[in-house]
Amino acid sequence: ESVLTQSPGTLSLSPGERATLSCRASQSVWYNYLAWYQQKPGQAPRLLIFGASSRATGIPDRFSGSGSETDFTLTISRLEPEDFAVYYCQQYGSSLTFGGGTKVEIK
Amino acid sequence: QVQLVQSGVEVKQPGASVKVSCRTSGYTFSSYGINWVRQAPGQGLEWMGWISGFNGDTKHAQKFQDRVTMTTDTSTKTAYMELRSLRSDDTALYYCARENLMNGVHWYFDLWGRGTLVTVSS
Repeated sequence: ESVLTQSPGTLSLSPGERATLSCRASQSVWYNYLAWYQQKPGQAPRLLIFGASSRATGIPDRFSGSGSETDFTLTISRLEPEDFAVYYCQQYGSSLTFGGGTKVEIK
Repeated sequence: QVQLVQSGVEVKQPGASVKVSCRTSGYTFSSYGINWVRQAPGQGLEWMGWISGFNGDTKHAQKFQDRVTMTTDTSTKTAYMELRSLRSDDTALYYCARENLMNGVHWYFDLWGRGTLVTVSS
């Protein structure tokens, strides 16, 4: 089973800065079926990105996903106060696994 | 309104069972599957398993294979997850999450319930 490793564990940034989050798979992700979710304290996760780079409905364009095979990136171009949260990547398709998460905190 | 409404807080003793429900509304139940994902306090997301809203087929993570049962009631459009032989490390928030049915291929989760807190303690 492919394992997803997210880095860094915590990212300390200021509002307005750019955030770059990494998700690395131990095996190639089938058809780049890779999703990103955002989770704020006390809330359920929310889908941001699917298919590695497609934004879900209603997701602002400051969120973008990229990558293929084993290396994927979620970029937040300019952090807004509401973007400070934990982000998870997930592979789907033939199997379902989550990465361990990256916390984006206010510096 | 498209939503997943989960049952309330549960407190169980070690060795007991818990059954969590996820009532769906606002969409065609048979066109989607329901996944169960848990999150221990301060930890990440852990996929437990999936059930088809179309035909009741299930798939479970190996870790839970012998302790979990997932069912649906199509008349009420509700999915259920029963976890048996509870241990203290089963204490977690249990989420249901919807995925589109794509001919045997798992899909991303586009709708989540708010979670059901299950506490296992003597």
